[in-house]
Amino acid sequence: SQELEQSPQSLIVQEGKNLTINCTSSKTLYGLYWYKQKYGEGLIFLMMLQKGGEEKSHEKITAKLDEKKQQSSLHITASQPSHAGIYLCGADSNQAGTALIFGKGTTLSVSS
Amino acid sequence: ETGVTQTPRHLVMGMTNKKSLKCEQHLGHNAMYWYKQSAKKPLELMFVYNFKEQTENNSVPSRFSPECPNSSHLFLHLHTLQPEDSALYLCASSQAGMRQPQHFGDGTRLSIL
Repeated sequence: SQELEQSPQSLIVQEGKNLTINCTSSKTLYGLYWYKQKYGEGLIFLMMLQKGGEEKSHEKITAKLDEKKQQSSLHITASQPSHAGIYLCGADSNQAGTALIFGKGTTLSVSS
Repeated sequence: ETGVTQTPRHLVMGMTNKKSLKCEQHLGHNAMYWYKQSAKKPLELMFVYNFKEQTENNSVPSRFSPECPNSSHLFLHLHTLQPEDSALYLCASSQAGMRQPQHFGDGTRLSIL
């Protein structure tokens, strides 16, 4: 079965610093989704990537998909306290794209 | 406000009780999902409904019983649960079909005594 590994598991950055979170799949990636979760709450959809080389941005968050490496990265520029939370990557577990599997998440803390 | 509402937000129940979790979506979606989120584990997909029909059951124990009366509502009926069933239960919805992002509710925090 497919697994998604996220790294790092957690990180603490100073406000204003840049950071990158990685998500690596054990199998071919058909669709990759990034979500943000605040502790004990639901997931907020950030971005979806479908094609190798695809890159999307939303405000100060950029996500890229490297299909060959079966990997996606999430980059935050000039981090702010509002960026703190748990970032989860999800991937289509089948080619039909009807079910998702998730990584364990990366917990981000931003110190001011 | 994600357009997916789950009730209750918190639930404490004994192992012999019967309770139900409710999920309602206002996004016009036609696929709905139940997930379980436990500490230190990835989100686990439990059930998938497309156009009110169950299309996926991820080997979930029969003490969890889903119900989808229409495309906007999803229930999870619980009975004789075990302590290891304590977790955050999340509902999500999406457009049915390929590569559609799922939108999540805030979850129900379930504690089994």
